[in-house]
Amino acid sequence: KNQVEQSPQSLIILEGKNCTLQCNYTVSPFSNLRWYKQDTGRGPVSLTIMTFSENTKSNGRYTATLDADTKQSSLHITASQLSDSASYICVVTRDDKIIFGKGTRLHILP
Amino acid sequence: GAVVSQHPSWVICKSGTSVKIECRSLDFQATTMFWYRQFPKQSLMLMATSNEGSKATYEQGVEKDKFLINHASLTLSTLTVTSAHPEDSSFYICSAPQGTSSYNSPLHFGNGTRLTVT
Repeated sequence: KNQVEQSPQSLIILEGKNCTLQCNYTVSPFSNLRWYKQDTGRGPVSLTIMTFSENTKSNGRYTATLDADTKQSSLHITASQLSDSASYICVVTRDDKIIFGKGTRLHILP
Repeated sequence: GAVVSQHPSWVICKSGTSVKIECRSLDFQATTMFWYRQFPKQSLMLMATSNEGSKATYEQGVEKDKFLINHASLTLSTLTVTSAHPEDSSFYICSAPQGTSSYNSPLHFGNGTRLTVT
């Protein structure tokens, strides 16, 4: 069954700290994996997109990793800011389908 | 900047009325657009795939007569919630792939429409 599982479901950290969000998937055949940031009441915004051959991709303070062998991805946020408070959604694509994870809700405390 | 414009951002309507939501791709053409529904603290649920010039493809369990989709041009898709009921209250989001592949091109999302049916 094609699934995308994200952990933790929610996370609270202090401003300035780093954190790592996890995404495990069973989607096959795999096409690409994307991370999105969704602010409350807004549409998702793309952070990174990685294909099978890519291990890591950065976008500012966001760094995504992909291990296609173990079907795991992570999103690392460095030096968190209050504006990083949002839901982070892992999305895995096949050639004919887009599968969304349920997201990790991240709260940054001052 | 935003490449997919969704309108309105929020709407309140009375039970039994219909509501139209527009989704426009800016600066690119989209033969396919996707419509999602999102409940609080839940993931996006695909409702239907809108295809320019042809009928939309609905996901299992989504009533096509209730959620009318029209993709009349390469930059505009509309979702009409007909005879709305309070249980239709939700956050509706559209997305459009920017490229020739619906599933491998960059996917841009609108900012969503908060629908409240009273």
